[in-house]
Amino acid sequence: KNQVEQSPQSLIILEGKNCTLQCNYTVSPFSNLRWYKQDTGRGPVSLTIMTFSENTKSNGRYTATLDADTKQSSLHITASQLSDSASYICVVSLMEYGNKLVFGAGTILRVKS
Amino acid sequence: NAGVTQTPKFRVLKTGQSMTLLCAQDMNHEYMYWYRQDPGMGLRLIHYSVGEGTTAKGEVPDGYNVSRLKKQNFLLGLESAAPSQTSVYFCASSYRGAILGDQPQHFGDGTRLSIL
Repeated sequence: KNQVEQSPQSLIILEGKNCTLQCNYTVSPFSNLRWYKQDTGRGPVSLTIMTFSENTKSNGRYTATLDADTKQSSLHITASQLSDSASYICVVSLMEYGNKLVFGAGTILRVKS
Repeated sequence: NAGVTQTPKFRVLKTGQSMTLLCAQDMNHEYMYWYRQDPGMGLRLIHYSVGEGTTAKGEVPDGYNVSRLKKQNFLLGLESAAPSQTSVYFCASSYRGAILGDQPQHFGDGTRLSIL
């Protein structure tokens, strides 16, 4: 069964600190892995994308890593800001007709001052 | 450029009532999707469409119907609403892309639906 598991479920950090979110997946056939950011009351927005041949991708203060052998990914946020407070969702794309996705439940991050 | 627009944003229904959720995209995307998001769970695919006039079942299609009469619109219908259908519903769209699975999905901001 295709599954995406994320940890922790929630996290509280102080503004300016770094944090790392984890994602484990069992999905086949695997096309790519994305991290989405979902602000409260909004739809998810894509942050990064990595294919199975890539092991790191950055987008500003966000850096995603992928280990295709262990089927693990992480999202590292550097120098957190209050605006980083959101749910971060790990999403795996299936390599099949229709561009279908398998979603993790998300990690809720709260950055406080 | 509005992207993906969902209407309504909020709705309260009584058990047994019917309604239609509307989704419109202005990006000329071939693919469109309807998801539901429940607390503690990942988004789950209800139905999707790979082109005008086509629809297909997703992971949780029971109790829902869809139609895609025009490329830019994707409608989700609840025939007889049940309390278990209380959820946040998201519509998304994407390009077909040259490589399977390589196109991002663009999401609307959701419809919050409560069934009493």
